[in-house]
Amino acid sequence: GAVVSQHPSWVICKSGTSVKIECRSLDFQATTMFWYRQFPKQSLMLMATSNEGSKATYEQGVEKDKFLINHASLTLSTLTVTSAHPEDSSFYICSARESQKPGNTIYFGEGSWLTVV
Amino acid sequence: GESVGLHLPTLSVQEGDNSIINCAYSNSASDYFIWYKQESGKGPQFIIDIRSNMDKRQGQRVTVLLNKTVKHLSLQIAATQPGDSAVYFCAETPHGSSNTGKLIFGQGTTLQVKP
Repeated sequence: GAVVSQHPSWVICKSGTSVKIECRSLDFQATTMFWYRQFPKQSLMLMATSNEGSKATYEQGVEKDKFLINHASLTLSTLTVTSAHPEDSSFYICSARESQKPGNTIYFGEGSWLTVV
Repeated sequence: GESVGLHLPTLSVQEGDNSIINCAYSNSASDYFIWYKQESGKGPQFIIDIRSNMDKRQGQRVTVLLNKTVKHLSLQIAATQPGDSAVYFCAETPHGSSNTGKLIFGQGTTLQVKP
């Protein structure tokens, strides 16, 4: 079946540095991908909609300049956390909608743990 | 505003019993709902979905019920097994976002299955 892969699965970075997380659709095309953030014992919070070939659409309260999203191909979206701080430590999850299927066929990645020290 | 919430944060059941997890949603215009299971440290796993033109849908050991009158969604798990222990989320497609893949998640219910 369709798979969405995230890389890295976990990453530790120093405060003030930037870190990039990749989201790939492995066997399908996704013109639209989504990035969520999940703090421990909380729900998934939608951060932004990643649109292939155009700018991402951010949810209210999400800083565009801090969470850079690039969706340069039909199978890859990247989320870059710039100038990371400890409060950015979280579980980041992406999802992708299979473009060539009707309806709402959505696949989730396995998530990426970010720890900022 | 648009929000999806859950009534109970934790549900503890005996192995073999049936489980019912509830969800309330606020947007009456939402037309697509999904239940997800999330195990610790992993991404959400699709369980079952339902569109607003239906009030019930059955899968293997799971049933989703939708009551649009009171904006309530429930997930029933038959013969609950230890492997069902996880956090369960309901999610809805926000108004105007049908078939886009965009989802709004509820707070989640932790299901604990006692052997």
